[in-house]
Amino acid sequence: EVHLAESGGRLVRPGGSLRLSCAASGFTFATYSMNWVRQAPGKGLEWISYINGGSTSVHYADSVKGRFTISRDNAKNSVYLQMNGLRDEDSAVYYCARDMSGSYTYPGPPDYWGQGTLVTVSS
Amino acid sequence: DIQMTQSPPSLSASVGDSVTITCRASQSIGTYLNWYQQMPGKAPKLLIYAASYLQSGVPPRFTGSGSETDFTLTISSLQPEDFATYYCLQTYRAPHFGPGTKVDMK
Repeated sequence: EVHLAESGGRLVRPGGSLRLSCAASGFTFATYSMNWVRQAPGKGLEWISYINGGSTSVHYADSVKGRFTISRDNAKNSVYLQMNGLRDEDSAVYYCARDMSGSYTYPGPPDYWGQGTLVTVSS
Repeated sequence: DIQMTQSPPSLSASVGDSVTITCRASQSIGTYLNWYQQMPGKAPKLLIYAASYLQSGVPPRFTGSGSETDFTLTISSLQPEDFATYYCLQTYRAPHFGPGTKVDMK
């Protein structure tokens, strides 16, 4: 059974940094691309980042480009999101999600999702 | 960026009703359109991918159609567990979700 578990969310001051982790199990992690998607309280879904299985292709939404960095460790079956320069508008539940696409260079639709981790940016 | 719109923003329906949600892209996206269901406090669930393909395990009362810029999600014979918010997602370019359609009980 596919399982994704995010961790690392907490309250952080504006301008601060945070690293989110997502532990995967139940599938051959290295052969799947992964995505991060976020949802601000009471708002809709926003895709923010993608990484392919070999970490050779990464993509970011304009809203986080230059501030967030996605990475993965296939030996640990984990994907990460390093978030720097956090702003109030980054407050959200952050989901990691497995990419179902056969493409290994560009995001496809996520098929399995974790339960999310809450990041609150506030002074 | 390709912008996505959904209509209606919300709708009220009864168990057994057939409901249709529309998603429109700001430019042609072929069939790179996917549909998700989200229950309150839960992660989204993939229903339909590539405009019309039913994700494994999803009941056949969910159907997707459309191409280029106009897409629809139809739920035939609405069930109690179908009251939720539905999002479309384009994956033709940088992925972008529609704003969502909330389906609640009349």
